[in-house]
Amino acid sequence: AQSVTQLDSQVPVFEEAPVELRCNYSSSVSVYLFWYVQYPNQGLQLLLKYLSGSTLVKGINGFEAEFNKSQTSFHLRKPSVHISDTAEYFCAVSKNTGFQKLVFGTGTRLLVSP
Amino acid sequence: EAGVAQSPRYKIIEKRQSVAFWCNPISGHATLYWYQQILGQGPKLLIQFQNNGVVDDSQLPKDRFSAERLKGVDSTLKIQPAKLEDSAVYLCASSLVPGDYEQYFGPGTRLTVT
Repeated sequence: AQSVTQLDSQVPVFEEAPVELRCNYSSSVSVYLFWYVQYPNQGLQLLLKYLSGSTLVKGINGFEAEFNKSQTSFHLRKPSVHISDTAEYFCAVSKNTGFQKLVFGTGTRLLVSP
Repeated sequence: EAGVAQSPRYKIIEKRQSVAFWCNPISGHATLYWYQQILGQGPKLLIQFQNNGVVDDSQLPKDRFSAERLKGVDSTLKIQPAKLEDSAVYLCASSLVPGDYEQYFGPGTRLTVT
């Protein structure tokens, strides 16, 4: 079975500062990795995904993530955040065969202040 | 393109009552998912449909939860009878095909059981 750990429940940051949201996963088989964002009172939206190929993945809204197999990590980064990036961010994993079954972490709340 | 629609958006019931949630996926999406998101946790998959057949319902509490997707389009999730611990946001998601690694989420239904 797969599992995801998001170590930080909340990350406060000032506008225009860089940010990194951490995600570690556990799996006995090869996986696909995802970051989703959830704005207040809305559903989840896919930010980016790693399926194969380059370990540096670029997503929407200026976010990027790096897959590190040896560290079993998939940390999310943005060089300069905006107030509008304030939201809940979820890391998710699925095995790379068969029907997709996403296993989510507990989420990290990013709080951007002016 | 219209997104995933869910209704109602909010529901308050007393324990031991019944409740039903409705989901209409994006047109043409064959795969439909129901997730339960308890406050402070990531979404947990309850059931996955491929057209009108069940692919995975291993985490569905079948003694009280049921779901159907007649005609392979919209879907209903029912809880009967509800317990206090069922208080959560119920998210519906859809994807075009099983191997499509992007799920599109609806806004969710927030259920409060008193």
